[in-house]
Amino acid sequence: ETGVTQTPRHLVMGMTNKKSLKCEQHLGHNAMYWYKQSAKKPLELMFVYSLEERVENNSVPSRFSPECPNSSHLFLHLHTLQPEDSALYLCASSQAQGSGNTIYFGEGSWLTVV
Amino acid sequence: DAKTTQPPSMDCAEGRAANLPCNHSTISGNEYVYWYRQIHSQGPQYIIHGLKNNETNEMASLIITEDRKSSTLILPHATLRDTAVYYCIVRGWKTSYDKVIFGPGTSLSVIP
Repeated sequence: ETGVTQTPRHLVMGMTNKKSLKCEQHLGHNAMYWYKQSAKKPLELMFVYSLEERVENNSVPSRFSPECPNSSHLFLHLHTLQPEDSALYLCASSQAQGSGNTIYFGEGSWLTVV
Repeated sequence: DAKTTQPPSMDCAEGRAANLPCNHSTISGNEYVYWYRQIHSQGPQYIIHGLKNNETNEMASLIITEDRKSSTLILPHATLRDTAVYYCIVRGWKTSYDKVIFGPGTSLSVIP
């Protein structure tokens, strides 16, 4: 247990569906991250929220929409995805300030788009 | 952000020490070196981090060279459960958050 919980762990959705991934952290952190990991590829940083404000958006298509209602929760809303969006989506959290603060990851949500 | 270079793969015999190298020649003075590992189908697991001094915890030891341009992660007695991809990253401080970029890492295979 890392203190970062992601749900669901597995999700299968059609290209016209709308679904959401949820992340909750119990570590008292105030920065949260979404990463994408496609098969046999390195982790790609998608979004960063610091103090509930989005501070990084790495050219992610608009069919991915993040939401951070408070410092403990992070969502990734999914809409009209493509099969190539099938991947492991990882949530992480840390303290917002100081490069010596450890980032902790959740177990990930496996997404399959059919 | 400082970039890291790691060998793509390594083998280690079970029970022996696994020494995983990492080069980070462009590291800045206030950047930490972090190590994570990822076992198949799971999220990355934090192992250890350091700034300039060597560090040790219950999982591993981290040796950082004096010029900080490279480091070595040491798993003292590798077990089959240590088979994973190991990532060496350098924390890039940017305004109010840390921008953490992962490379391809080193795939460690522990062999019986």
